[in-house]
Amino acid sequence: AQSVTQLDSQVPVFEEAPVELRCNYSSSVSVYLFWYVQYPNQGLQLLLKYLSGSTLVKGINGFEAEFNKSQTSFHLRKPSVHISDTAEYFCAVSDLKKGSQGNLIFGKGTKLSVKP
Amino acid sequence: ETGVTQTPRHLVMGMTNKKSLKCEQHLGHNAMYWYKQSAKKPLELMFVYSLEERVENNSVPSRFSPECPNSSHLFLHLHTLQPEDSALYLCASSQDPGSSYNSPLHFGNGTRLTVT
Repeated sequence: AQSVTQLDSQVPVFEEAPVELRCNYSSSVSVYLFWYVQYPNQGLQLLLKYLSGSTLVKGINGFEAEFNKSQTSFHLRKPSVHISDTAEYFCAVSDLKKGSQGNLIFGKGTKLSVKP
Repeated sequence: ETGVTQTPRHLVMGMTNKKSLKCEQHLGHNAMYWYKQSAKKPLELMFVYSLEERVENNSVPSRFSPECPNSSHLFLHLHTLQPEDSALYLCASSQDPGSSYNSPLHFGNGTRLTVT
């Protein structure tokens, strides 16, 4: 069975500081990996995804993530955060065989709080 | 503005009430999903409809009854709920099946349900 662990439930940072949100997964098969963001009072939206190819994936709003197969990690990074990045971030994994994003397994989320 | 619209945004209901949640997508997608988001728990997939047929039901209690009359509309009918069913219910859509990983999940803003 697959699982996703987001190691930090809350991450407070100051504006313009770098941030890393950690995600580890477990799976016995090859996977696709995703990061979604949820702004207050909204649904989730896709930040970025790793399907194949380059292990460094760039997404929207200046975020990027690196797939590390040996460490089974897919950490999300941004070199300089803004107040508007305050949101909850969800890491998700999907079995290649499942064939649908509806079969994503989500982590519990990390609340990023950016302070002035 | 999201292409997936959920109504109502907030709903308070007693345990003996019957109510329905509505979801409408304007994206031309052919798959729709219901998720439950509870505090401090991972996002839980409840139901998946592909081409208007239910393809997945993740052991959801029968007090939740989905309906998908066409590819643009999805309902979740609720009856005799319990207080622990209080949560944010999110609807999503995608282009599925096939190359669905290139078509991300598009979420609505959710319905905040409180069962008293």
